[in-house]
Amino acid sequence: RKEVEQDPGPFNVPEGATVAFNCTYSNSASQSFFWYRQDCRKEPKLLMSVYSSGNEDGRFTAQLNRASQYISLLIRDSKLSDSATYLCVVNFRGTYKYIFGTGTRLKVLA
Amino acid sequence: GAGVSQTPSNKVTEKGKYVELRCDPISGHTALYWYRQSLGQGPEFLIYFQGTGAADDSGLPNDRFFAVRPEGSVSTLKIQRTERGDSAVYLCASSLVGGQSTDTQYFGPGTRLTVL
Repeated sequence: RKEVEQDPGPFNVPEGATVAFNCTYSNSASQSFFWYRQDCRKEPKLLMSVYSSGNEDGRFTAQLNRASQYISLLIRDSKLSDSATYLCVVNFRGTYKYIFGTGTRLKVLA
Repeated sequence: GAGVSQTPSNKVTEKGKYVELRCDPISGHTALYWYRQSLGQGPEFLIYFQGTGAADDSGLPNDRFFAVRPEGSVSTLKIQRTERGDSAVYLCASSLVGGQSTDTQYFGPGTRLTVL
């Protein structure tokens, strides 16, 4: 089993739709969680960190469920510019390694 | 200000050759990471530097891979006897503090390595 797993998609959604991605992780000692966004042939960029209590940044909401070992990303009112690959990232306690998922591709359609 | 820069942006080499990939982190960032990203995959951790020292090199796939950061800023990833399977985009990232903090990693544009 991979340490961090994501549905690769693609998720094709119309503009204005709400879309949610999940990411599961295998190591219960994981301590830090992030969502990164990566555009085609570009470098990853931090979208948001994920906190235990859940957090929101504009149209984006991230949730953490430690009991079930998954994190989620919800995007409301999707824009064409949201089309990208969304990478789930986990850092395990006591290590410096950041483990990336394979990414979930999102295509927002006009 | 300037972000993370990587050179070259593209490198084509022949199987068995030696290559060096360079990373210039953001000025003042003490933490530096190297990752490798293959098509359709997420970045794969290779090595982490805190200052001049490699604090975690557990991601280096074998002893053909080596990285240095002699003055705590610029880093070079060195690959000996390249193989076709080494073809990938090599990404460098830096962060202000690193370690067990959760400060943001800023990625460079990557070096696309192709081994023929």
